[in-house]
Amino acid sequence: GAGVSQSPSNKVTEKGKDVELRCDPISGHTALYWYRQSLGQGLEFLIYFQGNSAPDKSGLPSDRFSAERTGGSVSTLTIQRTQQEDSAVYLCASSFGANQGGYTFGSGTRLTVV
Amino acid sequence: EDQVTQSPEALRLQEGESSSLNCSYTVSGLRGLFWYRQDPGKGPEFLFTLYSAGEEKEKERLKATLTKKESFLHITAPKPEDSATYLCAVQALYSNYQLIWGAGTKLIIKP
Repeated sequence: GAGVSQSPSNKVTEKGKDVELRCDPISGHTALYWYRQSLGQGLEFLIYFQGNSAPDKSGLPSDRFSAERTGGSVSTLTIQRTQQEDSAVYLCASSFGANQGGYTFGSGTRLTVV
Repeated sequence: EDQVTQSPEALRLQEGESSSLNCSYTVSGLRGLFWYRQDPGKGPEFLFTLYSAGEEKEKERLKATLTKKESFLHITAPKPEDSATYLCAVQALYSNYQLIWGAGTKLIIKP
């Protein structure tokens, strides 16, 4: 596609429910990143996928968070048993490979846990 | 500890009033420093990559410079459409992909 597409753009969920966030990267981009952005703070790295290699999950804040990338393209970030502290904007980015730095970001999913 | 600090947190300027944003960093070996622009409700948009001290990059009214401890984003004669949050990030030599991000500077240009 022309850019990185994320859905939904907004999600309001009740505490304790599971949510799935979707990211469709730019076609041909082998690297995919998930970040979390909270008000007044820098972007927090969550997870990194590169081609068919095992993902780097070192940034996932708890075992309630998981992510997968199917067929080297679309990625889904799942948050189980959501908590209020999970409220944030979840951003997905892609690039041609690692060491690029100049990522293309999607517009994000704003998650609100009530 | 590797970290990135941006200042000021917010900056209000009149249209045409030039100024600079600062990004100070501490990292054990710099692979690259990146500037992004973020508009409300959107993801960050890549602007520049700087790799070594003394390097400069320009785009329209923006110029980014780099020293061994900090980077500046100079804005010359800004227009209201330059209003956005500007983010700085660094990549350490030991990392192939992870970026360390600053909290950003919110720039408001008043007409």
